[in-house]
Amino acid sequence: DGGITQSPKYLFRKEGQNVTLSCEQNLNHDAMYWYRQDPGQGLRLIYYSQIVNDFQKGDIAEGYSVSREKKESFPLTVTSAQKNPTAFYLCASSIASSGRWYEQYFGPGTRLTVT
Amino acid sequence: GQQVMQIPQYQHVQEGEDFTTYCNSSTTLSNIQWYKQRPGGHPVFLIQLVKSGEVKKQKRLTFQFGEAKKNSSLHITATQTTDVGTYFCAGPTGNQFYFGTGTSLTVIP
Repeated sequence: DGGITQSPKYLFRKEGQNVTLSCEQNLNHDAMYWYRQDPGQGLRLIYYSQIVNDFQKGDIAEGYSVSREKKESFPLTVTSAQKNPTAFYLCASSIASSGRWYEQYFGPGTRLTVT
Repeated sequence: GQQVMQIPQYQHVQEGEDFTTYCNSSTTLSNIQWYKQRPGGHPVFLIQLVKSGEVKKQKRLTFQFGEAKKNSSLHITATQTTDVGTYFCAGPTGNQFYFGTGTSLTVIP
């Protein structure tokens, strides 16, 4: 059963705490992405990685960190420096080719609430 | 900064009516992708257009990519209740990837 898994579906944290969201894929994709979606808005790119041990900042990387130690995994840490962390976080993956962007497959998302 | 706007933001149609969403980017996109997100779900890829002026059809859906590669449209003929959801355009500029603001479609049976 191929796909992308994100866990948990809902996550609650207190302000000032770091929290790590998991994303795993078994599609053998080289590229992985993290997006944030706020109510009624489009997706905004936080970080992406086109190969293991390498990643690039998206438009809204401030307050977030990532790692890509394995091809299958791309965890996202929401740090206490992120001013408005409450949002719906979506992970995606795709095949990768230098300079080209291919169709992305999304996981079910994690809804993070920070109070 | 880079913006990808879609209009309208919301659209309510009677089942059987047509629907169109328009996507406009402030910069040239190397390709345009369209995704559909059902309520409570995640985006699902629909199609990609690469060439200037390209038109592609998927059953009742028609996608167009503008000549200047800065705009695109999605037209649905004779909407059905299964078409309900939010439609996003998306595309790369340089080393970044941008999603449009989305158009939420409601189909009234």
